[in-house]
This record gives sequence, C-alpha cells and structure tokens, in this order.
Amino acid sequence: EVQLVESGGGLVQPGGSLRLSCVASGFTFSTYSMNWVRQAPGKGLEWVSYISSVSTTIFYADSVKGRFTISRDNAKDSLYLQMNSLRAEDTAVYYCARAYGSFNWFDSWGQGTLVTVSS
Amino acid sequence: DIQMTQSPSAMSASIGDRVTITCRASQGISNYLAWFQQKPGKVPKRLIYASSSLQSGVPSRFSGSGSGTEFTLTISSVQPEDSATYYCLQHNNYPFTFGQGTRLEIK
Repeated sequence: EVQLVESGGGLVQPGGSLRLSCVASGFTFSTYSMNWVRQAPGKGLEWVSYISSVSTTIFYADSVKGRFTISRDNAKDSLYLQMNSLRAEDTAVYYCARAYGSFNWFDSWGQGTLVTVSS
Repeated sequence: DIQMTQSPSAMSASIGDRVTITCRASQGISNYLAWFQQKPGKVPKRLIYASSSLQSGVPSRFSGSGSGTEFTLTISSVQPEDSATYYCLQHNNYPFTFGQGTRLEIK
C-alpha cells in the first residue's frame, strides 16, 4: 500500500524556520518526482514546490522562492521542505504528493501537516 | 504563469442531476490536466488525469473532457456522497496551478 506520511509541522513565530518531512513507503520512491502542496485554512490548494526523482530539476512557487528549499534523500525514502523566514501567510496544511511520468501526477497524497506562523 | 479559471465557484444540485464544472487555462496545456475532489477535513483525491482518464476506483459517473484551454468535469447523476469541493490542476508548465475550486452542495 502506498503511504506518504508528513511530519514536522507546528507553531512558529514570524521570521522563524521549520523543516517538514515526508516519508514514503509501498512504492519505489527513487523513481518518482515529488511535490509539496499547501492549503491555508478555508482556502484552496496551492502548489508550492517540485523535485525530480534524482533532484536534478527543482521548481518553486514565486510565493516561496528564496525562502523555502525542497530536497530529498532517496536512501531514506524521504522528502523535505526547509522553510525559512516564515510569514503569517505561510500558515497552511502542507501535503506531499508524488508524480510519475507524463500524467501519473498527484495520485497519492500524504495526510498533511499543519504549519501555523503566529506570534 | 498559466491561470486556471474554474467555474462556477459554488453550485447546488439535486440527487440525479447532471453537473458540469469548467476549467479554462489562460494558455494551451495540451491534456496535462487533473481533477480532484476534496471533502472537509480530508486529503484531496484524484478523480481524473490526462484530462479524461478515470482514476481507478472512481465511480464511472465521473468523466472529464477537453484539451488545450477548455476542460470539463461532469458528474452524470450526482449522489449525496459527491458533496465536496472540486479542483482542477494544470501540470503542463511550471508553476503548476490549481483552479480556485467549485463547492458542490447536494440539495
């Protein structure tokens, strides 16, 4: 069974940092690209970042560029999101979701981890 | 950036109604479009990929169509469990973009 389990969320002050993790199981993680998607309370879905299977291609949304860093460790079947200079508007549930090939994108999601940026 | 304009933003339907939700892309995205269903407090669930391919396990009353800039999600005979918010997503061009969502209420 495919599983993606996020962790690392919590309450952080504006300007602070947090590192999210997403651990994969039930599939060959090293062959999949991965994404982070977030959802602010009561709002829609927002794509945040993408990393290819061997980390050669990385993209960010403009809203997080220069502040967030996506990375992965295929030996540990793990995806990460380092979030620095956090703002109130980064408050959201953060999901990881996998992608494969041309069209098998976002077929499996983690349960999400809540990040709250507040003083 | 490609904008995905989804309509309507909210709608109400009776059981058995045919429901259509539209997403328009600001530029052509071929068929790199997926549809998701999200119920309150739950993880988004993919319904359709590659514009018209039905995700395994999803009821056949759901269907998708379109290519280029205009796409539709159709529920042929809406059921009570279809009450949810629906999102389209384009992944043809970075940054990948979601539509703003359509909240479907069942009367």
